[in-house]
Amino acid sequence: DTEVTQTPKHLVMGMTNKKSLKCEQHMGHRAMYWYKQKAKKPPELMFVYSYEKLSINESVPSRFSPECPNSSLLNLHLHALQPEDSALYLCASSQGRGRGGGETQYFGPGTRLLVL
Amino acid sequence: GNSVTQMEGPVTLSEEAFLTINCTYTATGYPSLFWYVQYPGEGLQLLLKATKADDKGSNKGFEATYRKETTSFHLEKGSVQVSDSAVYFCALRGGSEKLVFGKGTKLTVNP
Repeated sequence: DTEVTQTPKHLVMGMTNKKSLKCEQHMGHRAMYWYKQKAKKPPELMFVYSYEKLSINESVPSRFSPECPNSSLLNLHLHALQPEDSALYLCASSQGRGRGGGETQYFGPGTRLLVL
Repeated sequence: GNSVTQMEGPVTLSEEAFLTINCTYTATGYPSLFWYVQYPGEGLQLLLKATKADDKGSNKGFEATYRKETTSFHLEKGSVQVSDSAVYFCALRGGSEKLVFGKGTKLTVNP
């Protein structure tokens, strides 16, 4: 089983709203990732959690706040977003056993976010 | 730093045609190489991978060979189907947790 699930599938929010995106995997992976993907572009890395600790933050604005409550769950809390934040947000996971280059990242289906 | 260059397309083919999508990379050390596919409205799915030179990844009729001498990982399929219409991303992963993507190639297969 290589399934990563994400909820919700679609989200519409206003610029003053607070919402959260959720990601879950049950593959025993210890590394989890958030990506942002704009239309017709490749995914852009936002955050990496390794063994439940934030290991990479790609200079993402503070209106995006990640959280890793346990090894299976990853959240992305959203507050005071801008219309340009509208995108597909993808979660991924990998084994996270070390810094080796062979680890495969498995992606979820994404949450399509529209900020009005 | 590491980078991936792939033909941007779009690529339009008739069903049963031969497909090649070129991908070359720049990296230090010995990266792992991947092809991901994204169908309309969906997330990325791993299509195939190769972790060392001369490895051939294959899946669903697609193949790619890790060529270190030409720093390439071209994707091929002998006979495409309408259902193969999607965006294909070449990617590499070096010694860190970061996955470096190419810009993607949109493939349209007409019946």
